[in-house]
Amino acid sequence: GAGVSQTPSNKVTEKGKYVELRCDPISGHTALYWYRQSLGQGPEFLIYFQGTGAADDSGLPNDRFFAVRPEGSVSTLKIQRTERGDSAVYLCASSLRDLADTQYFGPGTRLTVL
Amino acid sequence: GDSVTQMEGPVTLSEEAFLTINCTYTATGYPSLFWYVQYPGEGLQLLLKATKADDKGSNKGFEATYRKETTSFHLEKGSVQVSDSAVYFCALGGGAAGNKLTFGGGTRVLVKP
Repeated sequence: GAGVSQTPSNKVTEKGKYVELRCDPISGHTALYWYRQSLGQGPEFLIYFQGTGAADDSGLPNDRFFAVRPEGSVSTLKIQRTERGDSAVYLCASSLRDLADTQYFGPGTRLTVL
Repeated sequence: GDSVTQMEGPVTLSEEAFLTINCTYTATGYPSLFWYVQYPGEGLQLLLKATKADDKGSNKGFEATYRKETTSFHLEKGSVQVSDSAVYFCALGGGAAGNKLTFGGGTRVLVKP
């Protein structure tokens, strides 16, 4: 079956611009996670959704970052006034219910802020 | 806060050699422990996990045992293949750590024929 998909696969933007990154989880998965992976490092947690609600957004670095999941399936990570330090691979994962179930990761969106 | 420390790479081995990747953690409570693998050009995928002390996770010839006394979860494989070349990430999550994963920095493994 289809895995987690993310679009776009690559995004290049200029400092100060607004970007949206999309995640399509596995159908029927209620839990959705966003992580950020900088070059040579492990992924860092950003936000966790259970259904439509953000159950844990403690990893969002500042108020320029925001994520939504309005219908409990597709999620969008939004970054305002991008900075060069936002450049990273943004990973999305989903699991059936919660962390007790396997998290399946998408291929990521590579964001480059010039 | 919670953290995971794993040995830095790259680790270069010959085929059929024994592989160990060390992983230690700091956490509140009793999280689950995971090893994820990222093969070249592919996404992260779960390799194995252990949910409580003394549990052993195993998959594809890899093993790791949850050691609470040493707060470790070292990954081992007795005879590596070229196809095991990848980046390996140790992670913790669940319990007091909540529904999220905390990852180590990753260890790149290169197996030469």
